[in-house]
Amino acid sequence: SQKIEQNSEALNIQEGKTATLTCNYTNYSPAYLQWYRQDPGRGPVFLLLIRENEKEKRKERLKVTFDTTLKQSLFHITASQPADSATYLCALDSGYAGTALIFGKGTTLSVSS
Amino acid sequence: EAGVAQSPRYKIIEKRQSVAFWCNPISGHATLYWYQQILGQGPKLLIQFQNNGVVDDSQLPKDRFSAERLKGVDSTLKIQPAKLEDSAVYLCASSLVTSGGSYNEQFFGPGTRLTVL
Repeated sequence: SQKIEQNSEALNIQEGKTATLTCNYTNYSPAYLQWYRQDPGRGPVFLLLIRENEKEKRKERLKVTFDTTLKQSLFHITASQPADSATYLCALDSGYAGTALIFGKGTTLSVSS
Repeated sequence: EAGVAQSPRYKIIEKRQSVAFWCNPISGHATLYWYQQILGQGPKLLIQFQNNGVVDDSQLPKDRFSAERLKGVDSTLKIQPAKLEDSAVYLCASSLVTSGGSYNEQFFGPGTRLTVL
């Protein structure tokens, strides 16, 4: 069966540093990989999507890479701020319209000032 | 644009009781999902509807969980009877259905936190 792992449950960094979160998967060939942010008591919010034929995607201070050979995606937040503190979830997307996502457990990021 | 609405936000029941959750998706979103999120885990799909038809309910414990989406808009998820292990956040999400090959950005509601005592 498919397996998706986010290798750190928690990541603590100082303000201004770059946070790097890792997502690995097995037994699956997603067409897309999505990243969501989840704050306590709230539902996940979509951040970024990267397609299987893309190596890198950027949005403001966020950058996502996707290596289909390694079956890995890296999610970077540059110049991190305390407001970036949240849980970040990666999700596998088959690319077929209307299919459900397969989520990882998430990594909880804490940015201290 | 209004987001996905869910109610109630919190529910505490005793085991063997029944409970129901309600979801109103974003207007025009044909696909609706119910996820279960246990503390410390990622969301896990329970059931997926497209309009008022079930697309995937393979992970729904059908002996105790049921869901419906009458008229292809609102949806209700029911648990009867509840067990201790059903304590979790139940998230509803919706997405636009587009032609094959498009990504599926999902819009989530705030969730219902269920505690079973």
